[in-house]
Amino acid sequence: AQTVTQSQPEMSVQEAETVTLSCTYDTSESDYYLFWYKQPPSRQMILVIRQEAYKQQNATENRFSVNFQKAAKSFSLKISDSQLGDAAMYFCAYHNNAGNMLTFGGGTRLMVKP
Amino acid sequence: DAGVIQSPRHEVTEMGQEVTLRCKPISGHNSLFWYRQTMMRGLELLIYFNNNVPIDDSGMPEDRFSAKMPNASFSTLKIQPSEPRDSAVYFCASSPWGSYNEQFFGPGTRLTVL
Repeated sequence: AQTVTQSQPEMSVQEAETVTLSCTYDTSESDYYLFWYKQPPSRQMILVIRQEAYKQQNATENRFSVNFQKAAKSFSLKISDSQLGDAAMYFCAYHNNAGNMLTFGGGTRLMVKP
Repeated sequence: DAGVIQSPRHEVTEMGQEVTLRCKPISGHNSLFWYRQTMMRGLELLIYFNNNVPIDDSGMPEDRFSAKMPNASFSTLKIQPSEPRDSAVYFCASSPWGSYNEQFFGPGTRLTVL
């Protein structure tokens, strides 16, 4: 079974600064997908960014980018120019290729200081 | 598109009572997921359906939990009898079939069992 680990329960960043959230996973598969979801206080789960394991190029979405290290099974999220609205829980998730199931990490609570 | 719709948003009940949570997926999505979120265990997949058929229910905690999807636009998660340890936020999500596809989450139902 796959496992996803987020080793930082909480992180804080100054507004306009950059922060990186860590995620590692364990799998024996070679083809899979990785996601970062954001959960603000409203509880709504929102997709931030996704990465296909077969792609070497790191995904980017505006201020959000990932550092995908397949050999190390690492998938970190970088948030540039942090904004107050980025304050939320962030969940890393693994999706296997064969099935249709997401395995989530324990989450990292991000606080943004004005 | 209204997104995934869940009802009720909040439910407070007494131990031993039957609880039914409802979900309407996004039209055209053929996969539906039920998750439970608690502080202790994080986000757990309980069960998922593809084309109204349960595919994996290994996450359902015990026989007190049951889920149905009688048609493509409606699913229920029932707990009978409910216990205080069932208190959690229950999310429904839907997606088109496929690993790359984002799962769209509903707003969740916060269940409190007294």
